[in-house]
Amino acid sequence: GAVVSQHPSRVICKSGTSVKIECRSLDFQATTMFWYRQFPKQSLMLMATSNEGSKATYEQGVEKDKFLINHASLTLSTLTVTSAHPEDSSFYICSADLTIQGNRAAFFGQGTRLTVV
Amino acid sequence: DQQVKQNSPSLSVQEGRISILNCDYTNSMFDYFLWYKKYPAEGPTFLISISSIKDKNEDGRFTVFLNKSAKHLSLHIVPSQPGDSAVYFCAAFGSGYSTLTFGKGTMLLVSP
Repeated sequence: GAVVSQHPSRVICKSGTSVKIECRSLDFQATTMFWYRQFPKQSLMLMATSNEGSKATYEQGVEKDKFLINHASLTLSTLTVTSAHPEDSSFYICSADLTIQGNRAAFFGQGTRLTVV
Repeated sequence: DQQVKQNSPSLSVQEGRISILNCDYTNSMFDYFLWYKKYPAEGPTFLISISSIKDKNEDGRFTVFLNKSAKHLSLHIVPSQPGDSAVYFCAAFGSGYSTLTFGKGTMLLVSP
């Protein structure tokens, strides 16, 4: 099946620093990718839609200056958590949609566990 | 307002029996439904999907049933295996291009 690769899988950073998370579609092109965040014991929460070659669309309540998204190519989107604080510690997941023979599905990266200390 | 609801936070089933995971939705514009399996600290894995023009889709041990009039879908796993123990998310796409809306998930525990 389609593969979406996310890197790194785990990162620990100091408060005030920035962290970049990469999301790659390995065997298909994705003009749109999605970034989610999951809090403990909660469902995935959509943060933003990453659009290749244009600005990302952020969901209500998500700070665009804090969560910078860059979708520079058809296979790569990056999420940068700027000036990270402990409350940004979470599990971040990206996805890309693919339609195969009329069947649409979202394929997810492995996720990134961010811990801000 | 939660548009995709999974009202059972957990489900316990014995190995070899059937697991039935339920999902309700409120948005009649949803036209494509998916089930994902998720282990802790990993991304969701796509299991099976169903279009709103169908009422059943089967893939191996997994069958998804859709009842549009009741706005209800269910995932049947038979026979259940201990390796099926995970959190299962129901998700839906709206008509046209849109983002995926998730339920809160149901934790399935299959005991030997």
